[in-house]
Amino acid sequence: NAGVTQTPKFRVLKTGQSMTLLCAQDMNHEYMYWYRQDPGMGLRLIHYSVGEGTTAKGEVPDGYNVSRLKKQNFLLGLESAAPSQTSVYFCASSNGRAGYNEQFFGPGTRLTVL
Amino acid sequence: DAKTTQPPSMDCAEGRAANLPCNHSTISGNEYVYWYRQIHSQGPQYIIHGLKNNETNEMASLIITEDRKSSTLILPHATLRDTAVYYCIVRVGGGTSYGKLTFGQGTILTVHP
Repeated sequence: NAGVTQTPKFRVLKTGQSMTLLCAQDMNHEYMYWYRQDPGMGLRLIHYSVGEGTTAKGEVPDGYNVSRLKKQNFLLGLESAAPSQTSVYFCASSNGRAGYNEQFFGPGTRLTVL
Repeated sequence: DAKTTQPPSMDCAEGRAANLPCNHSTISGNEYVYWYRQIHSQGPQYIIHGLKNNETNEMASLIITEDRKSSTLILPHATLRDTAVYYCIVRVGGGTSYGKLTFGQGTILTVHP
């Protein structure tokens, strides 16, 4: 049981390049989330999904797109990377049961945009 | 979701209890108190949560005041590995809120030898 895994762990992009971050979970969770964390700050929600085939915007969605084609995977895409997107990206999942919502986080992807 | 207020930093001696306070004076009746922590460079880790009653698990205890306007996370015997940023989060449990967590600045807990 690997929990939540993220690929890649590190990446350096040039401004304008595109890339996709992959999040996978093996806990059969319904809900999945993408957060970003900038230095000295707490996590901010980018997008989330409450089930296969559904996605929704979070607090800071601009410049990102997501897809949830399979229940176990949640992809985060940057179509045209900007230096402001330099951050650490965390994926999380939860079972979404009412009244109890422990989120399990992945190890993070450190992205630098030059 | 209710806003929370935590001290920016705290120190604790190894082996002693660490008591981390959190104020949430605008909490609603259906909002839970969650605690997560983030050890340097790692993803956040769930610690404990509660609604009204005090809670205890293998990691910590959560004490919620009777009026629910504040709470305290207690690490009974802090170790060096407990050095981390601790986040107190108040939100509605599951269901229509989709489990979104709003992370503030948290409290940096430093455990000293």
